[in-house]
Amino acid sequence: QVQLVESGGGLVKPGGSLRLSCAASGFTFRTYYMTWIRQAPGKGLEWVSYIDTSGTSIYYGDSVKGRFIISRDNANKSLHLQMNSLRAEDTAVYYCARALDSGGNSYFDYWGQGTLVTVSS
Amino acid sequence: DIQMTQSPSSLSASVGDRVTITCQASQDIANHLNWYQQRPGKAPKLLIYDASSLETGVPSRFSGSGSGTDFTLSISSLQPEDIATYYCQSFDIFPPYTFGQGTKLEI
Repeated sequence: QVQLVESGGGLVKPGGSLRLSCAASGFTFRTYYMTWIRQAPGKGLEWVSYIDTSGTSIYYGDSVKGRFIISRDNANKSLHLQMNSLRAEDTAVYYCARALDSGGNSYFDYWGQGTLVTVSS
Repeated sequence: DIQMTQSPSSLSASVGDRVTITCQASQDIANHLNWYQQRPGKAPKLLIYDASSLETGVPSRFSGSGSGTDFTLSISSLQPEDIATYYCQSFDIFPPYTFGQGTKLEI
């Protein structure tokens, strides 16, 4: 069955860096687009970043552009998010999710359980 | 960017009730609208894609409708396990993806 398992979250000081990982299993990872989505405590969902199958098309939300870097390792079936210059407002649960494209639409059919990132001094 | 306005923000209903949640897009998005359920403490789960297509394994009491700018998620007969927050999500030609602000459903 499809599984996505995030890791790498934790407590980091403002201005610091953190690298999240997402281990995928149960599907042909290299053929799927992948995304990161976050949820601040008690708040709604916010899309963070998207990467295509080969890693050549990458997009970021405005709030993280220039600070976060998404990447993938198809050989090892893993997705990563390098987070730099972290701010208090980056505090959230970070989910990796598989993205499906359908006739111009795109949606997330599988999600990981999430990893909590806390940015605080 | 597309803005999604979801209503109501919270809703209280009884077991067996029919429940309706609406989502309005700031511009025409055809049928590029998806719905998710997030139970407390859990990851979101896809319910409906392409505005009205039921994801495999989702109970048939859930349904979606709409196109263009106005969309609806309905639960025909509310069950206790439907306690959750529901989010709509749209997609433009390129990312970003946009989520509605969520509807918290209580019994």
